[in-house]
Amino acid sequence: EPEVTQTPSHQVTQMGQEVILRCVPISNHLYFYWYRQILGQKVEFLVSFYNNEISEKSEIFDDQFSVERPDGSNFTLKIRSTKLEDSAMYFCAGARGILSGANVLTFGAGSRLTVL
Amino acid sequence: AQSVAQPEDQVNVAEGNPLTVKCTYSVSGNPYLFWYVQYPNRGLQFLLKYITGDNLVKGSYGFEAEFNKSQTSFHLKKPSALVSDSALYFCAVKDTNAGKSTFGDGTTLTVKP
Repeated sequence: EPEVTQTPSHQVTQMGQEVILRCVPISNHLYFYWYRQILGQKVEFLVSFYNNEISEKSEIFDDQFSVERPDGSNFTLKIRSTKLEDSAMYFCAGARGILSGANVLTFGAGSRLTVL
Repeated sequence: AQSVAQPEDQVNVAEGNPLTVKCTYSVSGNPYLFWYVQYPNRGLQFLLKYITGDNLVKGSYGFEAEFNKSQTSFHLKKPSALVSDSALYFCAVKDTNAGKSTFGDGTTLTVKP
């Protein structure tokens, strides 16, 4: 069964450093998302991406965050200057479409980010 | 705006007993409703969805959920719980005009032998 692959599985960084989290989506997916989960609880929407541009973003997704899919495969989330409160599990997810209920999300295993 | 409420942080049941995990939602249009399960150190996995049609939907691992429009609820149920069902369960809603899914805070299900 196709999987969403995320790297790294765990990254520890110093406050103020840049972090890039990478995701390889399933090949027939068209819509891509980043969510984050703090302390193993609430799952928060960050951003959605379609047709090589951001389609929606949350209040969390401020100027310190960016996403791109430069080569048509890897989907990356960049945090320019990390803060302590960015420590979380970051999940990449993909979906085939948003019409006809096709928006079933397939999640990766997550990248745990620890900011010291 | 769309939102989901899972009123119980924790549900405990004995193996073999029926289980219910509650979810209520709020959306501006017709809802697309989902249940996902998360096992420790894993990503969320899709269990079932309601889009339209029969209010009772069946999903993976013997789970089912009932859509109740008047009560704006989508409770997850299983007739006979297994210890292996112990996990974190998330309800999610999507407005037909929105691309994102909004998740509830999650309910930890513990099934004891």
